[in-house]
Amino acid sequence: NAGVMQNPRHLVRRRGQEARLRCSPMKGHSHVYWYRQLPEEGLKFMVYLQKENIIDESGMPKERFSAEFPKEGPSILRIQQVVRGDSAAYFCASSESGENTIYFGEGSWLTVV
Amino acid sequence: GDSVTQMEGPVTLSEEAFLTINCTYTATGYPSLFWYVQYPGEGLQLLLKATKADDKGSNKGFEATYRKETTSFHLEKGSVQVSDSAVYFCALRSKGGNEKLTFGTGTRLTIIP
Repeated sequence: NAGVMQNPRHLVRRRGQEARLRCSPMKGHSHVYWYRQLPEEGLKFMVYLQKENIIDESGMPKERFSAEFPKEGPSILRIQQVVRGDSAAYFCASSESGENTIYFGEGSWLTVV
Repeated sequence: GDSVTQMEGPVTLSEEAFLTINCTYTATGYPSLFWYVQYPGEGLQLLLKATKADDKGSNKGFEATYRKETTSFHLEKGSVQVSDSAVYFCALRSKGGNEKLTFGTGTRLTIIP
């Protein structure tokens, strides 16, 4: 059973470009979470999604950031018009409905130059 | 709201030393508690967990006991190895099954031979 798969692992974008990060949850998992880790800091919750629904987006910046988890295909975290402060590791995690444990992917490292 | 307070690092120990990383939490109700480990350049791996008071989670020689009376979940290992060098995160998840994880700030552990 493959784990949580994220791609790309590393992404470099110039200021003003768009970044798209993809996450395929573990097989059978219908809940997806996105977290951001700034350099030398802990993980901050961004958004929690189920298929076709955003359940909790209390950690998402109000502008430029969006997330989706369509009926088919991976979850996407989209950052428009990136700025240097968006440089961070973005981790996706998934869980089964009612399951206690959340499993993490290996992360996508975004560098904005 | 939920919060996790974790012992600040960095922590440097000699090989075979005893390790304790303190973690206390604030939450409504009785959350599940977790320790995750992050090796350099990698994602988070679940190290151990406990879902109710007095439960002890254990894995790879690490242990932590869920103490409701002191709202703590301290991580311990009797004899650390160089390969234990990593960042350790304490986290909680409120009951309800699908709530997000709330993380502490992480503790960087370095073991020297």
